[in-house]
Amino acid sequence: NAGVTQTPKFQVLKTGQSMTLQCAQDMNHNSMYWYRQDPGMGLRLIYYSASEGTTDKGEVPNGYNVSRLNKREFSLRLESAAPSQTSVYFCASSEWGTLGGNQPQHFGDGTRLSIL
Amino acid sequence: EDQVTQSPEALRLQEGESSSLNCSYTVSGLRGLFWYRQDPGKGPEFLFTLYSAGEEKEKERLKATLTKKESFLHITAPKPEDSATYLCAVFGGSSNTGKLIFGQGTTLQVKP
Repeated sequence: NAGVTQTPKFQVLKTGQSMTLQCAQDMNHNSMYWYRQDPGMGLRLIYYSASEGTTDKGEVPNGYNVSRLNKREFSLRLESAAPSQTSVYFCASSEWGTLGGNQPQHFGDGTRLSIL
Repeated sequence: EDQVTQSPEALRLQEGESSSLNCSYTVSGLRGLFWYRQDPGKGPEFLFTLYSAGEEKEKERLKATLTKKESFLHITAPKPEDSATYLCAVFGGSSNTGKLIFGQGTTLQVKP
C-alpha cells in the first residue's frame, strides 16, 4: 500500500525560482493537507482541501498556492521561492468526519526543500 | 488561543524502563486528540485518536490516555526500536476546519 506519495523527495532552488510539489493518495480520502515542519516551530498547516473542488488557507499560506487536481492529487506551488521557505513539506490525507477534520491524518514522507 | 505543549522535550530510557510522555492542551471544545510517531527522515505515523476524557487506547507497548486538560502516552518496557519523536496534535474549536494544532514533540531514545 503506497498511502500518500510525495515528489520530489529533495529539491534545491534559487531565490525567485518557482516549483510545484506533488502529492497523491490512494486511500480514497476526501480531505488533503499541506504542512511545513521547521525546527522549533513544529508542523504548521499551509493549505487544506476538505473535499475535491475546495481549498482553504491554513496557518501559514503566504507565498504558496494549491490545486486540488482530482480526489487523489493535491499540489503545492511556490511562485517565487524565498529562503524563508526552506523547510520540510508534508502532505497528508484523511476522511472528513462528521465534526469536520477530526479523523486521523495520514502523512507522506515529505519533500526536503532548500532555497539558496 | 489553541495551544499544545509536550513534555519533556527529550527523554532517554534504558531498555525495559517504563515512562510517560505528557501532552497538555488548551482548546475550546476538543473534538479529537491524536498521537503520532515520527522517525528521522520520515513523515508522522498515526498511532491513536482519543475523543473524550477517560478514553484509553493501547497498541503493543504504548497506551494513550486522555483527561480534560492533558494526554499521556505511557511506554511500558520500551525497546530500542521505540526510539522516535512522538507528536501530539489536537483538533477543536468552533470553526469547522481541518486545522490540527501540533505540539513540538518529545524525542525518545531507548538504549539497549
